[in-house]
Amino acid sequence: SQTIHQWPATLVQPVGSPLSLECTVEGTSNPNLYWYRQAAGRGLQLLFYSVGIGQISSEVPQNLSASRPQDRQFILSSKKLLLSDSGFYLCAWSVGGFDQPQHFGDGTRLSIL
Amino acid sequence: QKEVEQNSGPLSVPEGAIASLNCTYSDRGSQSFFWYRQYSGKSPELIMSIYSNGDKEDGRFTAQLNKASQYVSLLIRDSQPSDSATYLCAVEDYGQNFVFGPGTRLSVLP
Repeated sequence: SQTIHQWPATLVQPVGSPLSLECTVEGTSNPNLYWYRQAAGRGLQLLFYSVGIGQISSEVPQNLSASRPQDRQFILSSKKLLLSDSGFYLCAWSVGGFDQPQHFGDGTRLSIL
Repeated sequence: QKEVEQNSGPLSVPEGAIASLNCTYSDRGSQSFFWYRQYSGKSPELIMSIYSNGDKEDGRFTAQLNKASQYVSLLIRDSQPSDSATYLCAVEDYGQNFVFGPGTRLSVLP
């Protein structure tokens, strides 16, 4: 069966510091991969999605970037974090078309000080 | 701007009652619809997918879809305190992506 791993679970970073969050999927090939952010008490905001290695689509312009160096690995990065980057970051995967359900990792809770 | 709307709640129901959660969407071309449950501090987990008009049942959960009226609902029968969570509606956006609603917070009172 498919599993998704996301780490770290919790992260506290100072303003202006870099960020790297990693997500890996097991048990499937060529998944669609997604990064979402959920601010406290808010809905899910799609940040990036990828349909294949090196293919990244950005939904929201900001100081974050994403990369997909391997088929089942998705990385979210920032060179300089802002206070507004605080939130719950979720990685998700799906297979097939975009009409298929997405499945989420456990998430990373990021606090910026 | 594609929109998915849900009543934010909280929706409070007594234990054993039927909880009814509603979702409306703006994109008439949407074909795929999903309900997720999110416990506080946790990630969303898929409850059901529905693609055709009508009802789809899975255990205590029933999803209802009416494309003409652009709404999808989730019924939870015999509600339990463990069903207390935020329920997210997601709608496929022309085969591009999901659009998530803001979620409805459900509280089942023992």
